[in-house]
Amino acid sequence: DVKVTQSSRYLVKRTGEKVFLECVQDMDHENMFWYRQDPGLGLRLIYFSYDVKMKEKGDIPEGYSVSREKKERFSLILESASTNQTSMYLCASSLITTGITEAFFGQGTRLTVV
Amino acid sequence: GEDVEQSLFLSVREGDSSVINCTYTDSSSTYLYWYKQEPGAGLQLLTYIFSNMDMKQDQRLTVLLNKKDKHLSLRIADTQTGDSAIYFCAESGTGGSYIPTFGRGTSLIVHP
Repeated sequence: DVKVTQSSRYLVKRTGEKVFLECVQDMDHENMFWYRQDPGLGLRLIYFSYDVKMKEKGDIPEGYSVSREKKERFSLILESASTNQTSMYLCASSLITTGITEAFFGQGTRLTVV
Repeated sequence: GEDVEQSLFLSVREGDSSVINCTYTDSSSTYLYWYKQEPGAGLQLLTYIFSNMDMKQDQRLTVLLNKKDKHLSLRIADTQTGDSAIYFCAESGTGGSYIPTFGRGTSLIVHP
């Protein structure tokens, strides 16, 4: 089974801290994604990556950066955490294909910025 | 741009059928998907339909696609309390780089 693992289930950080959210997948997927999930807003794409060292902005990249140094690992970085970044963060991975493609999700990290 | 719309809530009694609706705008979508998110978990693919199909049935699940109206629905027969979850509609366009666009999710609440 494909497994996408996020490093933390819950995090509490202070305003202004630099925060790292880590995600690892074990199925050699090319695509990796970071979403944030807020009530009533659904999933919004922050960044995605289709290859090592490649990254593309999603719909809401402001205040975030990402790093993909190895194919299996995709990190989301909050350079200076703010209270409006309190949210559920979901990592996902998928193959690059023209056929049916399933996105596999991690269990999520609930981040609270105080 | 791409957009996927869903109603936010649906409440049903146990044993009834549930119908969750979705509209999308990207006419090039090759596949359309339904994902389920149980409390405290990530999303999992529930079912999908190819764009040249009208209907797909899988046990208690029936997916209907009206491509002309860009309308997708998920019917759950004999809804159980374990079906309580958030259901997301998602689409993908053509091409090799799969970037799913998700709706806002419909919270299904099943009453005993």
